[in-house]
Amino acid sequence: TQLLEQSPQFLSIQEGENLTVYCNSSSVFSSLQWYRQEPGEGPVLLVTVVTGGEVKKLKRLTFQFGDARKDSSLHITAAQPGDTGLYLCAGLYNNNDMRFGAGTRLTVKP
Amino acid sequence: GAGVSQSPRYKVAKRGQDVALRCDPISGHVSLFWYQQALGQGPEFLTYFQNEAQLDKSGLPSDRFFAERPEGSVSTLKIQRTQQEDSAVYLCASSVQVPDTQYFGPGTRLTVL
Repeated sequence: TQLLEQSPQFLSIQEGENLTVYCNSSSVFSSLQWYRQEPGEGPVLLVTVVTGGEVKKLKRLTFQFGDARKDSSLHITAAQPGDTGLYLCAGLYNNNDMRFGAGTRLTVKP
Repeated sequence: GAGVSQSPRYKVAKRGQDVALRCDPISGHVSLFWYQQALGQGPEFLTYFQNEAQLDKSGLPSDRFFAERPEGSVSTLKIQRTQQEDSAVYLCASSVQVPDTQYFGPGTRLTVL
């Protein structure tokens, strides 16, 4: 059972468009991480957010952690085909208990 | 090696067979995690080691699943009497400590026929 709900489940857009994907839970996390996973590979960490309300930017990607530390969003500006992949959020409950969402599968068409 | 490696990358087993999946973590990483990722889902926690000690095995779905890390480095996940519902990608991750960044291996795709 996924305790983190990610939406949308699938997203297909044209190159150059902007998009936002969401990660929601009823639980409070000590930190939340976003990963990107490509077919046949393991997830690769993009960012960790720790403080409620925190915003982090990674080139064209903007990550926000909700004030109550229960939800997060990932915004991509001017998406490129190289952004295609499965975006996973994961919340850390305690030191070793990390729970993943089911992911948003993004396809960016050239 | 530079990253976490797993072997085999693909495994096909007949229902009822035993399988063993290997994980080589990044050298020096104290913590090691196993996850199960079903098709279309995110990874689900199975078990966690700190050095050779298995500190949390609450995610193991049944007593057919067993993991070990006898020397605090390489780990093996063993599944006995495999069932079709065991078909999934099994991911291994390691970290310097907890709650540091976890680095994932490429996974082993297990298909049980």
